[in-house]
Amino acid sequence: QSALTQPRSVSGSPGQSVTISCTGTSSDVGTYNYVSWYQQHPGRAPKLMVSDVTRRPSGVPDRFSGSKSGNTASLTISGLQAEDEADYYCCSYVGGYSWVFGGGTKLTVL
Amino acid sequence: EVQLVQSGAEVKKPGESLKISCKGSGYTFSNYWIGWVRQMPGKGLEWMGIIFPIDSDTRYSPSFQGQVTISVDKSISTASLQWSSLKASDTAMYYCARHNGDENASDIWGQGTMVTVSS
Repeated sequence: QSALTQPRSVSGSPGQSVTISCTGTSSDVGTYNYVSWYQQHPGRAPKLMVSDVTRRPSGVPDRFSGSKSGNTASLTISGLQAEDEADYYCCSYVGGYSWVFGGGTKLTVL
Repeated sequence: EVQLVQSGAEVKKPGESLKISCKGSGYTFSNYWIGWVRQMPGKGLEWMGIIFPIDSDTRYSPSFQGQVTISVDKSISTASLQWSSLKASDTAMYYCARHNGDENASDIWGQGTMVTVSS
């Protein structure tokens, strides 16, 4: 199980949109619609933002949306706000009730 | 309130053993898998393994198989992560998380337990 591939960093200005990609293989992202995204602020535990590729848990702003095409999943954050500045991690099911994370992406709000 | 509360920070020497815990409350503990995630200083999240409290069915990442042991005591709603012989490279923050089968994701996270291994 190799880590999923994410860009190390992305940035955007307040009000803009950014998209974070998460590339796996046909053995994980490409096969299962069980991709989730987590937000982590410094010194805090991760927080679930998107599950099952596109589902938003209760309380997560609709500015956060997920999608998938082939072996790549994406998280789009629209209407960027200062509090969105954080690290973001994707996670995919790999079978056998096992999972793998991406390497993480640091989002900077300019 | 649904929550996972982890045991406190630990400072250990190489070669020592350690067991950290994660206690669930506010929900039916046995009905949800509990996973463990490592975060080394300044690094990303790494999925370590997961356990189902009802039957202790446990799955490990190949990277952690044989390096740690995940266990559970459903009578006290507590999952544990243990090492028999710590190494300096085990220094990290360790998180437990409830895995929600309806969402296929970890929806509730513990606050983390910092483990420092140093001579």
